[in-house]
Amino acid sequence: DVVVTQSPLSLPVTLGQPASISCRSSQSLVYSDGSTFLNWFHQRPGQSPRRLFYKVSNRDSGVPDRFSGSGSGTDFTLKISRVEAEDVGVYYCMQGTHWPFTFGQGTNLEIK
Amino acid sequence: EVRLVESGGGLVQPGGSLRLSCAASGFAFGNYAMSWVRQPPGRGLEGVSGISGSGDDTYYANSVKGRFTVSRDNSKNTLYLHLKSLRVEDTAVYYCAKGGQLGYWGRGTLVTVSS
Repeated sequence: DVVVTQSPLSLPVTLGQPASISCRSSQSLVYSDGSTFLNWFHQRPGQSPRRLFYKVSNRDSGVPDRFSGSGSGTDFTLKISRVEAEDVGVYYCMQGTHWPFTFGQGTNLEIK
Repeated sequence: EVRLVESGGGLVQPGGSLRLSCAASGFAFGNYAMSWVRQPPGRGLEGVSGISGSGDDTYYANSVKGRFTVSRDNSKNTLYLHLKSLRVEDTAVYYCAKGGQLGYWGRGTLVTVSS
């Protein structure tokens, strides 16, 4: 199985400051058609996960533009330009290129 | 509006069986692959199973292969996951999600395996 590694696992951030989460895979996530199936999810306490980005950098409907996704191959990043209170929770990256799809361990973002 | 509603969870003894259902609405169900993802209490996410839109192709995580079976009834817009030979480590909230890239999720159903 493809191993997906996130860092950091804990991310305390001051309101209004930027935040960044790294996601690395054990093998390339480029599919045979050239697509890269790397997605980002956000899970608030007590809620289901919600997808933020698909195929690296495509923002899902309703996701604020202070969020951005980037990367290629095996190295990806989720950035928040200015953290707001509603951004708390756990962020997961997930690779959907190779079955079984696999998730990173999760990054817990909290407000300092 | 896309809506996914899981049901069928509960308390079951080790070695027991359950059938989970996921009722879908708000999109052309038969045109989309569907997925099951689980989350043990206080832990991260694990992909469990996937199925193509037609139902012809199915996929399983190694941890559940041979014990879980995914199926779908496109006439009823419903996805199923049959769980058998359940183990304590199968205890989790089970979510269904739209597509292979998990664009929408249900609220989940809790499966507790305990004697």
